[in-house]
Formats: sequence, C-alpha cells, structure tokens
Amino acid sequence: GQNIDQPTEMTATEGAIVQINCTYQTSGFNGLFWYQQHAGEAPTFLSYNVLDGLEEKGRFSSFLSRSKGYSYLLLKELQMKDSASYLCAVSPDNYGQNFVFGPGTRLSVLP
Amino acid sequence: ETGVTQTPRHLVMGMTNKKSLKCEQHLGHNAMYWYKQSAKKPLELMFVYSLEERVENNSVPSRFSPECPNSSHLFLHLHTLQPEDSALYLCASSQDRGVTGELFFGEGSRLTVL
Repeated sequence: GQNIDQPTEMTATEGAIVQINCTYQTSGFNGLFWYQQHAGEAPTFLSYNVLDGLEEKGRFSSFLSRSKGYSYLLLKELQMKDSASYLCAVSPDNYGQNFVFGPGTRLSVLP
Repeated sequence: ETGVTQTPRHLVMGMTNKKSLKCEQHLGHNAMYWYKQSAKKPLELMFVYSLEERVENNSVPSRFSPECPNSSHLFLHLHTLQPEDSALYLCASSQDRGVTGELFFGEGSRLTVL
C-alpha cells in the first residue's frame, strides 16, 4: 500500500523558522513534491526532490532522505501569508502521473 | 487567462440531479486529472487522462463519469450522487505521461449534495 504521514497542525511565530516533516511508505519512488494550499484556493507547487539532499528556493527549502523515507519542508523568516496547508506528495511509479498525497499540515503563523 | 480553469466554482445539487463539472487548461499539457478533496482527508486521485485516453480509474463509483474530448478540456459528469460525495473537486494538469513534473491545479469546484 501507499502511506504518507504529516503532522496535522503546526503553529509558529512571524519571523521564526518552522520545519514540516513528511514520512512515506510507497511501492516505488520517482520523486517527492511539496505543495502549498491557502484556504479556498488551489494547491500550488513549491518544490521537488528526487535525489537525497537539500533543495533551496528562497525562504523555502526541502530535504529528502530516500533510505529513511523522509522529507521535510523548511520555511524561514515566516510571514503571515505563509499560513496555509502544506501537502507532501510522492510519485510512486515511473509513469509520473500517479501521485499519492499526504493529509496535509495546516500551518498557522501568529504575529 | 489562468493556467487551469474550473467551472462552476460552487454547485449545490439534489441526489436525483445530473450536473457536470468543467475543466480547461491553457498550458499545453497532455495529462489531466480529477482529484477529490474532503475535509481532513488526503487528496484522492479519481481519474487520469493522458492524450485524451483514460489511464487511471481508482475504483471510483459509476455515478462519476469523466469525459476528455481533447487535451485541453476535461469534464466530470455527476448523477444520483450521495451526500458523502460533497467535497472539493480539483482538476489538475501536468506536462506529459512518463515525465515526472508538478501538477498545476485549478481553483476547484465545491460540491454540496443535499
């Protein structure tokens, strides 16, 4: 089966750093994605990891360890607009279209 | 024009109604998807079309019927739905089958079944 776990909710303070973890157990692995979804809006792509290590993109970074089935999304210099749900998704097969999503982590950034 | 457009944004229907959700993508992608998003549940893949051919159907009840007339348009036909089908239905597209790339989502159609 396919399983992805994330914390349900997190709270952090404006200006701080927060790390959102994701663990996965899938039949195969062809990449891990992070999406951001504001309430009432479409999910938007944040990052993609297929090799082990850290990918940095501005205030956001994503890390992957394939041997541990583990990823995290790191958000630095938090802003109020970062309050959203963060979805971890894995592509488990070589066709690249069968994405398995985690339940999402709802992040609240407080002033 | 936004990348992926869904209509209607909100839909309320009775269990005996027949309605359709529409999705249009302006990105030149070859793959399109329907996902269901229920409260406190992961996104559930319903259907995948690649080059207008259905390639995935995740045991979705027959009261949901997809249609993909061309690579830019995707429909989800709804009939005799149940209250538990109330959810946000998201359409997405991606570049091509066999190329792992990110999904581009529409804003979703919020469906309420009475």
